[in-house]
Amino acid sequence: GNSVTQMEGPVTLSEEAFLTINCTYTATGYPSLFWYVQYPGEGLQLLLKATKADDKGSNKGFEATYRKETTSFHLEKGSVQVSDSAVYFCALRRRAAGNKLTFGGGTRVLVKP
Amino acid sequence: EAGVAQSPRYKIIEKRQSVAFWCNPISGHATLYWYQQILGQGPKLLIQFQNNGVVDDSQLPKDRFSAERLKGVDSTLKIQPAKLEDSAVYLCASSSLDSPTGANVLTFGAGSRLTVL
Repeated sequence: GNSVTQMEGPVTLSEEAFLTINCTYTATGYPSLFWYVQYPGEGLQLLLKATKADDKGSNKGFEATYRKETTSFHLEKGSVQVSDSAVYFCALRRRAAGNKLTFGGGTRVLVKP
Repeated sequence: EAGVAQSPRYKIIEKRQSVAFWCNPISGHATLYWYQQILGQGPKLLIQFQNNGVVDDSQLPKDRFSAERLKGVDSTLKIQPAKLEDSAVYLCASSSLDSPTGANVLTFGAGSRLTVL
């Protein structure tokens, strides 16, 4: 079946550090890939997405590239801020599977001033 | 546009009691999802509706959980009787009908946090 594996947290960084969160997936066919973010006390928000191989999604300084050869969709940001402290979820969706999202376990990121 | 509305935001009950959660999706969104998010884990799909029909309820514990979307708009998720392991955040999400590019996005509500004592 479809599954998503992401690195466990928490990840603790200093402000302006480089952030990478690894995400790999298992799925048949060609899923769409997403990163969602959950800030403290809030619901899940879409951060970025990519719908086909080699696509790069980007938003708010975050980037992720859909790598079919390595079945990965790693999230990166060059210079994090305290406001980036949140839980980040990698997810996939296959249209043949009813369009539902399958999530990874989440990675908590804590950015210290 | 208004987001996905959920209520109540918080609920504390004792085991074996019942609870109901309500969701109002974004206007015009045909597809509605209920997810369960246990602390420290990613959300898990419980049930998916398209209009008022069930698309996928394969992971819904049907002996205690039920959900309906009678008029294809609002939805209610019920748990009866609740168990300790049902303590979680229940997330509702909605999306428009799938586009040819497959690029439509799920929009989530803030969630309903359930604590079962």
